[in-house]
Amino acid sequence: KAGVTQTPRYLIKTRGQQVTLSCSPISGHRSVSWYQQTPGQGLQFLFEYFSETQRNKGNFPGRFSGRQFSNSRSEMNVSTLELGDSALYLCASSLLLAGNSGANVLTFGAGSRLTVL
Amino acid sequence: AQRVTQPEKLLSVFKGAPVELKCNYSYSGSPELFWYVQYSRQRLQLLLRHISRESIKGFTADLNKGETSFHLKKPFAQEEDSAMYYCALSGRGSNYKLTFGKGTLLTVNP
Repeated sequence: KAGVTQTPRYLIKTRGQQVTLSCSPISGHRSVSWYQQTPGQGLQFLFEYFSETQRNKGNFPGRFSGRQFSNSRSEMNVSTLELGDSALYLCASSLLLAGNSGANVLTFGAGSRLTVL
Repeated sequence: AQRVTQPEKLLSVFKGAPVELKCNYSYSGSPELFWYVQYSRQRLQLLLRHISRESIKGFTADLNKGETSFHLKKPFAQEEDSAMYYCALSGRGSNYKLTFGKGTLLTVNP
C-alpha cells in the first residue's frame, strides 16, 4: 500500500513569505503528526491531528499552523517565514483508534525540504 | 517535561564487534520508548519499541526504569547497520507526541 506522501519535496522561499505543505497519510490512518528536523535541534514535534482536531501542539510560535481534512489529509502552514524556518518538515501518520491513549507507531513521509533565503 | 538524551553523536565500530547506542530519558510517569532508524537516503522508520520486547535485525533494547535508560544493543554489528539512530519517548495518556533524542550516527567499518 502507498506510504505517507508529502508535497512538495523541495521548495525555496524568501523571508516574509508564507508556505503550505501537504501530507497524505497511509490509507486508514487517522492520526497525522508533523515534525521539524534541523541539524541543530534535531526532530521537534510541531502538532498532531486526529479526526480534524488538533490534540497536541509543540513549542512553536503561532506562525506555524496546521489543519486536517475529513479524508485525514493534512496541511501545515508557516507564515512570515524567517531564515530559521529552513528545515526538513516531516509528516507521519499512525493507525491510532479513537480513545486509544497509547503511544503512536509512526510511519514517516520523505519530508518537505524548505529553504528560506 | 519529557526529555531524551543520546550522549553520543557519532559511534564507530568494526564489523563483527558489539555495539551499544545509549539512550537516557526523563519523564514523570510510565513512558513508552522507541528506537527509530534512518538509513542513507531512506525515510525515518521504526526499528523497535519496548512494549514489543522483540529483536529486530539482531537489535534489542531493554527499558531500565531505575536508570531511566533504553540502550540499543547488537552483539555483532554489520556494515548494513550503518545509519542514524534516534531514541524516542511517548508519554502514556493524552500526549500523542514523540520526543526524540538528537540521534547517534553509527558507522560500521569493514
